[in-house]
Amino acid sequence: NAGVTQTPKFRVLKTGQSMTLLCAQDMNHEYMYWYRQDPGMGLRLIHYSVGEGTTAKGEVPDGYNVSRLKKQNFLLGLESAAPSQTSVYFCASSYSRDRGETQYFGPGTRLLVL
Amino acid sequence: GENVEQHPSTLSVQEGDSAVIKCTYSDSASNYFPWYKQELGKRPQLIIDIRSNVGEKKDQRIAVTLNKTAKHFSLHITETQPEDSAVYFCAASLSYKLIFGSGTRLLVRP
Repeated sequence: NAGVTQTPKFRVLKTGQSMTLLCAQDMNHEYMYWYRQDPGMGLRLIHYSVGEGTTAKGEVPDGYNVSRLKKQNFLLGLESAAPSQTSVYFCASSYSRDRGETQYFGPGTRLLVL
Repeated sequence: GENVEQHPSTLSVQEGDSAVIKCTYSDSASNYFPWYKQELGKRPQLIIDIRSNVGEKKDQRIAVTLNKTAKHFSLHITETQPEDSAVYFCAASLSYKLIFGSGTRLLVRP
């Protein structure tokens, strides 16, 4: 099992450009999450999904959109990138609550917006 | 919503000593408290977790304690080793969403 994978690993964008980050998991997890990590601020939840076709907002959703068309994939989109979105983005997944809440993280995507 | 505070932000200990990291949470309904270790440039990895119906949990050199009344939980690492050097994050979960503390950078001096 590959676990949780993310593509790309690193990306540089200019202000106003768009991009999509892909998260994939092969553990048949129901729940998937997108976090951003900034220095000194820990991980903050952007959006999450409790199942295929469902998404919900987390702590810092502004400027991002997500889609979960397939159970194993969770996409994070930036429609018009801003320098404030420079960060490391982590995807995570977990089973549903009654099967355990441990979240497993992907390796991260480092995004630089100029 | 939930808020998690973590202290200290940095901690330096001598190899072999113990390290303690403390967190407080605001929402008394939170019921799951994991701790993650993150090495430089790597992903966060779960090292131990505790549920609200348990007061203490131990796994070899690592232990976590939970005081629900005071809304405190702590990570204890005994006999620290250089490979314990990393950033540690606490988190509190309510309805499967994790709210993280801001992290503690632990340095174990050989």
